Amino acid sequence: GENVEQHPSTLSVQEGDSAVIKCTYSDSASNYFPWYKQELGKRPQLIIDIRSNVGEKKDQRIAVTLNKTAKHFSLHITETQPEDSAVYFCAARGGGATNKLIFGTGTLLAVQP
Amino acid sequence: EADIYQTPRYLVIGTGKKITLECSQTMGHDKMYWYQQDPGMELHLIHYSYGVNSTEKGDLSSESTVSRIRTEHFPLTLESARPSHTSQYLCASSEFRNTEAFFGQGTRLTVV
Repeated sequence: GENVEQHPSTLSVQEGDSAVIKCTYSDSASNYFPWYKQELGKRPQLIIDIRSNVGEKKDQRIAVTLNKTAKHFSLHITETQPEDSAVYFCAARGGGATNKLIFGTGTLLAVQP
Repeated sequence: EADIYQTPRYLVIGTGKKITLECSQTMGHDKMYWYQQDPGMELHLIHYSYGVNSTEKGDLSSESTVSRIRTEHFPLTLESARPSHTSQYLCASSEFRNTEAFFGQGTRLTVV
């Protein structure tokens, strides 16, 4: 079945540094790639997404890049702040009629003040 | 307010009990999902529906069952709960292809 791998599982950075999280997917028909942020005790919420016809998308301090040939995509957070500390999940929506949304294993990001 | 609602938020039950976790959304979304999330963070897809009377099992084997009789309602049932079912269960919904999935607040289930 479809699979999404995510690395690293934990990431600690100093406030103001950049953070990068990488994901690879197995289904070459996948066409939609969202990123979710989950704060402790809360539900996951979408922070940015990218579609397969776009190579890069940016929203203030957050950017996502997609390499369809290599089947990998990355989340970049610049000028990190303590409130960026959370678990981040990548996901891929598979091709076919049912379009299941499969999540990566999550990355626990800790931003040290 | 359009949202996705899960009840109960917390549930502690004894082994062997039958339970139903409720999930309702008021956004008119066609697609609904159930994910199981353990303390180790991973979100495992256990059930999926892309419309009324359509359900599929996800990639993680689960002893639970689901039904989709109405667009807005996607309940999950455990016929006989076991301690191994202790986890957080998250319901989500989305509209068409390539759009955001919205999550409910989750149900934290403990089976003793």
